[in-house]
Amino acid sequence: AQSVTQPDIHITVSEGASLELRCNYSYGATPYLFWYVQSPGQGLQLLLKYFSGDTLVQGIKGFEAEFKRSQSSFNLRKPSVHWSDAAEYFCAVGAGGGADGLTFGKGTHLIIQP
Amino acid sequence: SQTIHQWPATLVQPVGSPLSLECTVEGTSNPNLYWYRQAAGRGLQLLFYSVGIGQISSEVPQNLSASRPQDRQFILSSKKLLLSDSGFYLCAWTVGGGLHEAFFGQGTRLTVV
Repeated sequence: AQSVTQPDIHITVSEGASLELRCNYSYGATPYLFWYVQSPGQGLQLLLKYFSGDTLVQGIKGFEAEFKRSQSSFNLRKPSVHWSDAAEYFCAVGAGGGADGLTFGKGTHLIIQP
Repeated sequence: SQTIHQWPATLVQPVGSPLSLECTVEGTSNPNLYWYRQAAGRGLQLLFYSVGIGQISSEVPQNLSASRPQDRQFILSSKKLLLSDSGFYLCAWTVGGGLHEAFFGQGTRLTVV
């Protein structure tokens, strides 16, 4: 079975600084990988996804993520954060061809300092 | 375009009372439908998923059940709520067949008192 680890429960970044959120996955085959963002009391919004091809994927709101098979990682990055980026971020993995949903990490809470 | 509606947004129910949360999807046919529960610090836990009308798969044994009476309707129920059922419940859908990204509703905050 697949699993996802987000090692950082909380991360604090100054506004305008760069950001990297870590995600490691465990899956036997090529995974389908996702990053979602959740504002307080809201549902999850898809930031970006990786299915195949270019290992550097671009998403919405200026986010990008890089798939590194050798490290089983799919880290999320943003060159300059804005106060509005403060939220909970979830990495997720899915098995190709399966309808049985995604497996999510426990999330990273991002705090933006002025 | 596709939209997903989930209601109610918040719910406070006494222990032992029944529960019914509803989720509907518009603008697509034959979606895969999902119920997740989110507890603080524990990420999202998949509760149920459905690939078609009347087809329900349960991921974890619990006090809850799910039904899909129509193609784009997914209902989460309980006959008698427990305190431990409190949490944030999220409905989601994906395109049927193969793996695609999931689209989420706005969630229901359930507090059992």
